[in-house]
Amino acid sequence: AQKVTQAQTEISVVEKEDVTLDCVYETRDTTYYLFWYKQPPSGELVFLIRRNSFDEQNEISGRYSWNFQKSTSSFNFTITASQVVDSAVYFCALSEEPETSGSRLTFGEGTQLTVNP
Amino acid sequence: GAVVSQHPSRVICKSGTSVKIECRSLDFQATTMFWYRQFPKQSLMLMATSNEGSKATYEQGVEKDKFLINHASLTLSTLTVTSAHPEDSSFYICSAPSGWGEGYNEQFFGPGTRLTVL
Repeated sequence: AQKVTQAQTEISVVEKEDVTLDCVYETRDTTYYLFWYKQPPSGELVFLIRRNSFDEQNEISGRYSWNFQKSTSSFNFTITASQVVDSAVYFCALSEEPETSGSRLTFGEGTQLTVNP
Repeated sequence: GAVVSQHPSRVICKSGTSVKIECRSLDFQATTMFWYRQFPKQSLMLMATSNEGSKATYEQGVEKDKFLINHASLTLSTLTVTSAHPEDSSFYICSAPSGWGEGYNEQFFGPGTRLTVL
């Protein structure tokens, strides 16, 4: 069975600090997809990124970057120069073979990020 | 982009009553929808897979008679919490993939419904 682990329950940083959120996953599938979502206090999930298992290239989007390493089954997320508006709960998630799972997601426990001014 | 809506966004009810939550795909058809539950400060847990025209598939530990799911059309799935109790208070989120089959099907989440049972 698939599993996603986010070992950091809460992280608190001061504005402008860089912060990395860790994500480790387990799956027996060779084809799978990894995601990061942001959940602000309103509760609505905000999609940040999707990666498939065949694409290990790191990605950068503005202040956000992601490091995907199949060798360690990790998909870490870094926010550079954090801002107060980045405060939220961040979820890492895994979707296995779409033909069987229909793209349903297994979520990690989430990391509460607090960025203090 | 595709949008999934949920109604109501927030509901408060008395213990013992039933509550219906709607999930609609607004600009695409969804033969499958997923229902997740999220308790405070916890992760999202998949409750069931709603299938248009057939019975829902429930995850282990989820009571079928407690959480009734009806996928009446290609754009609407409903979750009814029957005889709700305070322990059913939670944030319920639905999602709908834009398709099913080979390759990844973009999945869209609803904004969630916050249920409080008094």
